[in-house]
Amino acid sequence: GQQVMQIPQYQHVQEGEDFTTYCNSSTTLSNIQWYKQRPGGHPVFLIQLVKSGEVKKQKRLTFQFGEAKKNSSLHITATQTTDVGTYFCAGGGNTGFQKLVFGTGTRLLVSP
Amino acid sequence: DAGVTQSPTHLIKTRGQQVTLRCSPKSGHDTVSWYQQALGQGPQFIFQYYEEEERQRGNFPDRFSGHQFPNYSSELNVNALLLGDSALYLCASSLGGVGEQYFGPGTRLTVT
Repeated sequence: GQQVMQIPQYQHVQEGEDFTTYCNSSTTLSNIQWYKQRPGGHPVFLIQLVKSGEVKKQKRLTFQFGEAKKNSSLHITATQTTDVGTYFCAGGGNTGFQKLVFGTGTRLLVSP
Repeated sequence: DAGVTQSPTHLIKTRGQQVTLRCSPKSGHDTVSWYQQALGQGPQFIFQYYEEEERQRGNFPDRFSGHQFPNYSSELNVNALLLGDSALYLCASSLGGVGEQYFGPGTRLTVT
């Protein structure tokens, strides 16, 4: 079955440093979504990418969808302590109803 | 505007028992998906309901079943509980089964 892997599994940065997490799918995706889950919380939607090579920005966050639609990345510029949490990518298939396959997640810890 | 609600918050059951979890979608949403999230892992898709029918199903045994009611709320039933069923069960709602998924706070199930 479809697998979605993320690297790194865990990253600890100092506040102000940049952070990047990479997402790779074993199959081509129709779209990719990114979620953030704070410790003890539930996943919160960040963004959806649909087009090959698409790049979207949200303030300090930059999201990219690969040309082959099998990989994606999330880059955070100048991390803040509020960025702490686990970041998941989730790949959507080609059917009308979204069966999201979540990645393994990258846990980000930011020290002040 | 009420978000996704789930009940109960926590639940402790014994092996072999049966459990029912409940979810009310975000106002205006018509599709409900259920996910199982084990500690330290990403959410795993169980199934999705739209118009009171199961539209997509993940790799979960028949012990996991669900239902959607005319008001779009949903139930997840798990029979013959195993220790491995201990997890956070998340409900997510969306419009038409695609796009952004709004997650509820989850139900923490512990099987002893």
